[in-house]
Amino acid sequence: DARVTQTPRDKVTEMGQEVTMRCQPILGHNTVFWYRQTMMQGLELLAYFRNRAPLDDSGMPKDRFSAEMPDATLATLKIQPSEPRDSAVYFCASGSPEGFQMLGEQFFGPGTRLTVL
Amino acid sequence: AQSVAQPEDQVNVAEGNPLTVKCTYSVSGNPYLFWYVQYPNRGLQFLLKYITGDNLVKGSYGFEAEFNKSQTSFHLKKPSALVSDSALYFCAVRLSGNTPLVFGKGTRLSVIA
Repeated sequence: DARVTQTPRDKVTEMGQEVTMRCQPILGHNTVFWYRQTMMQGLELLAYFRNRAPLDDSGMPKDRFSAEMPDATLATLKIQPSEPRDSAVYFCASGSPEGFQMLGEQFFGPGTRLTVL
Repeated sequence: AQSVAQPEDQVNVAEGNPLTVKCTYSVSGNPYLFWYVQYPNRGLQFLLKYITGDNLVKGSYGFEAEFNKSQTSFHLKKPSALVSDSALYFCAVRLSGNTPLVFGKGTRLSVIA
């Protein structure tokens, strides 16, 4: 049963610390998305990649957030330094060339719940 | 620009009754429309999509949605609600092509036994 995995599932940290969230997309999926979910803002697209290249990261605060895909099996989202307003659930999603590009289907991971104190 | 509106933050329905979760969209072109569901402490799961063809689309768990171009709506429906349908429901839209989905803010559905 192929699924998107994310680590850690929960992270509590103090303001100013670096946070790294990891995502393993479904094997063969070439499009990867990072979303942030909060009660106030709902689900926001932070960045997305196709074939490991960033296509759009306009939703991401560039001064403290960075997203990368070191290889096809790993996507990372880093926050440095973290702030209390970054507290949210961060989701990774992936899509296949056929499923996403033709049909728009995305598969979501379970999320990382980040709390910045 | 693309946008999606879900006018209700919360929908309550009695078990066994029909349910409707509303969605309207705004795109400058032919839309691809989607419904996703999120259960507590889980990621979003795909429910159904409209790309082209029949305006009534059937999806997982007995859900269906009707595309109405004149009203720019894509309401989610189910003839008989189950308590297990209680979850957060997201409508999403994108233009044809490789653009990312734009999600609505979500509607929380509570089905009461």
